[in-house]
Amino acid sequence: GENVEQHPSTLSVQEGDSAVIKCTYSDSASNYFPWYKQELGKGPQLIIDIRSNVGEKKDQRIAVTLNKTAKHFSLHITETQPEDSAVYFCAATPTSGTYKYIFGTGTRLKVLA
Amino acid sequence: GAGVSQSPSNKVTEKGKDVELRCDPISGHTALYWYRQSLGQGLEFLIYFQGNSAPDKSGLPSDRFSAERTGGSVSTLTIQRTQQEDSAVYLCASSSNIGAGETQYFGPGTRLLVL
Repeated sequence: GENVEQHPSTLSVQEGDSAVIKCTYSDSASNYFPWYKQELGKGPQLIIDIRSNVGEKKDQRIAVTLNKTAKHFSLHITETQPEDSAVYFCAATPTSGTYKYIFGTGTRLKVLA
Repeated sequence: GAGVSQSPSNKVTEKGKDVELRCDPISGHTALYWYRQSLGQGLEFLIYFQGNSAPDKSGLPSDRFSAERTGGSVSTLTIQRTQQEDSAVYLCASSSNIGAGETQYFGPGTRLLVL
């Protein structure tokens, strides 16, 4: 079945710097890749997603890139702010008969003021 | 509009007791999912519903876990004879339709602690 690996597990950056989180997936048939942000004590919130028919998507300071050949996708946050501090999860959706998300293990991002 | 809601937000129970966790999906969403998040871990799929049917129960860890959905809306996850290893955050999500690429919207979770 699908397996998603996420790196790094923790990431500290200075305010204003960029942060990059990378995920790889195993099922080449996966075609939808959402990213979630989870703040302490809250449920995951969708921040951006990408489908397999595009290579990049941007929304203000957040961007996601997808390399289908290499089966990896990345989250890029520019001009980081303290409120970006949270745990970020990537996910992939396999297409073989079920629609559950397979999640990465999460990245704890800390933005230092 | 209203998002996914879950109740209770926190539950403390004694080992061996049964617990029921409730999820109210976004109105009109046909698909509903349950995940479990253990401390510091990622999200583990448990079960999903399409309408009132559960095509995929593969993530339920044991026969002590069961779930139902009525009226194509509210879902209840029941854990019988709770064990300490059941302590986790139980998250519910819903999506407007079933299908690869349908965005899932998550509730705030129920934090379960089994003493």
